[in-house]
Amino acid sequence: DTGVSQDPRHKITKRGQNVTFRCDPISEHNRLYWYRQTLGQGPEFLTYFQNEAQLEKSRLLSDRFSAERPKGSFSTLEIQRTEQGDSAMYLCASSLVGDGYTFGSGTRLTVV
Amino acid sequence: RKEVEQDPGPFNVPEGATVAFNCTYSNSASQSFFWYRQDCRKEPKLLMSVYSSGNEDGRFTAQLNRASQYISLLIRDSKLSDSATYLCVVNRFNTNAGKSTFGDGTTLTVKP
Repeated sequence: DTGVSQDPRHKITKRGQNVTFRCDPISEHNRLYWYRQTLGQGPEFLTYFQNEAQLEKSRLLSDRFSAERPKGSFSTLEIQRTEQGDSAMYLCASSLVGDGYTFGSGTRLTVV
Repeated sequence: RKEVEQDPGPFNVPEGATVAFNCTYSNSASQSFFWYRQDCRKEPKLLMSVYSSGNEDGRFTAQLNRASQYISLLIRDSKLSDSATYLCVVNRFNTNAGKSTFGDGTTLTVKP
């Protein structure tokens, strides 16, 4: 399978806990994105990497969110001290310059 | 006002019908435009890019009107399998770099 892989598919966590998600992009793609989507809404931009450099981060993101892409390969998104409002589908996507995105299947986070 | 606005629908049409969706965007500097399709509880998938000259892919035709800042998607001879949510996407760079802004989608249901 040469698509975008995300792990885990589902995560249930208690409020206040930290969670980390992983994304493995398509290997030839140098761009990687994280988006968040809630029911009835379109995906909302979180952050963007070109190779290993994090070039853009949403102002909507609080300091509780951090993302990394070491060596320009896979990426992780960490949410610290989760809140109920963090419950959403977290989508990773990758692309080549100028192309549209290929999304992974997402990680569905439920904070209880 | 949202950066990208779509009529949420739902659009309920019979098989074989022609249906059109519009999307308006507020940033006149936008350079890249796309339509994505999202099935229920699945990730968005790229349907087509939208070019200034308009483009067609089988039963699907996309148009861009920069002066009026809207994008359209026309689906001819609707199939049951076309039932999905259609997301309009806008990016400020012609290389589609960084943040892309998604609309909240238009839901289409094609009925037998």
